[in-house]
Parts: sequence; C-alpha cells; structure tokens
Amino acid sequence: DPKIIQKPKYLVAVTGSEKILICEQYLGHNAMYWYRQSAKKPLEFMFSYSYQKLMDNQTASSRFQPQSSKKNHLDLQITALKPDDSATYFCASSQDEGRGTEVFFGKGTRLTVV
Amino acid sequence: QQQVRQSPQSLTVWEGETAILNCSYENSAFDYFPWYQQFPGEGPALLISILSVSDKKEDGRFTIFFNKREKKLSLHIADSQPGDSATYFCAASAPGGNYKPTFGKGTSLVVHP
Repeated sequence: DPKIIQKPKYLVAVTGSEKILICEQYLGHNAMYWYRQSAKKPLEFMFSYSYQKLMDNQTASSRFQPQSSKKNHLDLQITALKPDDSATYFCASSQDEGRGTEVFFGKGTRLTVV
Repeated sequence: QQQVRQSPQSLTVWEGETAILNCSYENSAFDYFPWYQQFPGEGPALLISILSVSDKKEDGRFTIFFNKREKKLSLHIADSQPGDSATYFCAASAPGGNYKPTFGKGTSLVVHP
C-alpha cells in the first residue's frame, strides 16, 4: 500500500484557473515537502514543512501556497495557473528535517495547463 | 546555473555489465550526496548516499566513488539487471539549514537482457 498518497494522479487545468494538489502521508513523519519535476528542469525543491510549520520556501511565486490542515497533510494550492506550471509535482516526507534522514516520495501529480 | 551535472544523459548496457553513472558539482559546501532511483510513474527513491568524508560507499551491487578534490562522484552498478532500468538522480546538499538537496537532471539507464 502506498504510504504517501497524492491526488489526483493526473490533472488538466485551464490557464488562469486554480487547483489544489492533495498529499497525505501515513508514515508518521514530522517533515513534509513539495518538489516539482519537468522536462526542462531537474527535480526542484519547493517547500518544506516541519510539524506543520513552514521551514523553507524556494518558490519565488506567491501563486504556490502550501496548506497543512493536519500533521500528515500538506496540500499545494496553485492559483492563476500558467502553461509553464505544467510539471509533475511530488510530495515527500521524512521522519525529521535532518539532512541524512531518508526522504520518501509519493508517486506525483502530473499537472498539464492548457 | 546547473550546480549538479550528470552524464551521460542516457546509458545502455547489457545484463551483467557494470553501469557507470557520473556526477559533478560546483558548490564546495556540498558534503552529502544521495543517489535516487526513479521508475516510470513513480517518485524517486533513495538508493545509496555518501558523505564527503568518505571516498567510497558500497551497498550490494551499488557503489559510489567520490573524489572531493575534483568535485566528482560516480555510481557503479555491478552485474546490471534489467530491473535496474530506471532514471538515476545524483543530488547534493550542504550542511546546516533545511534538507533541500540540489538534483542533477538524471541519467536514464537501460539494461538489455
């Protein structure tokens, strides 16, 4: 059974619209992350949360807003979608936010903005 | 600016051969280097990692060789199997702060039976 659940698996959105990517982890981890992967760029760190608090934000645009309603949830709201936002978005988690702690990734949500 | 570079972009080997995947980096502050394996439709999974105080790390058929002076490392996959066919990412992170490794663009490995 997958321990990090991302929904939906595929998502098509219209330019200018807003979408929420869902992530839940059942590993009992305290730290959660969002990464983005596209054909043009390597896997790119976006956000890290620890105990539901934002620890790091490497995303320049405020259109990307993580939302943590529970310790094991970290959703990603994206507003005013652009075609350049098309990518696979991975949610990940680790026991803590330490550097040597293994990070586990979900299967991703593939977003296409048309 | 690409801080972590991988080569080749794609690699094909025969079953039983040793696959060699290369990685180089620019930031001298990087001292932790995890390698991730990613199958199509899946997220990356940690395969093996090394700290810069070591020059070699082995885990079964997977070995990392690290050259701090040249800022290079390589992943050797011995006795390659068709099941090893995947994309391999080299990543690097610096001490302190939050865990946010910088990833390379990956090497796509195909192992032919």
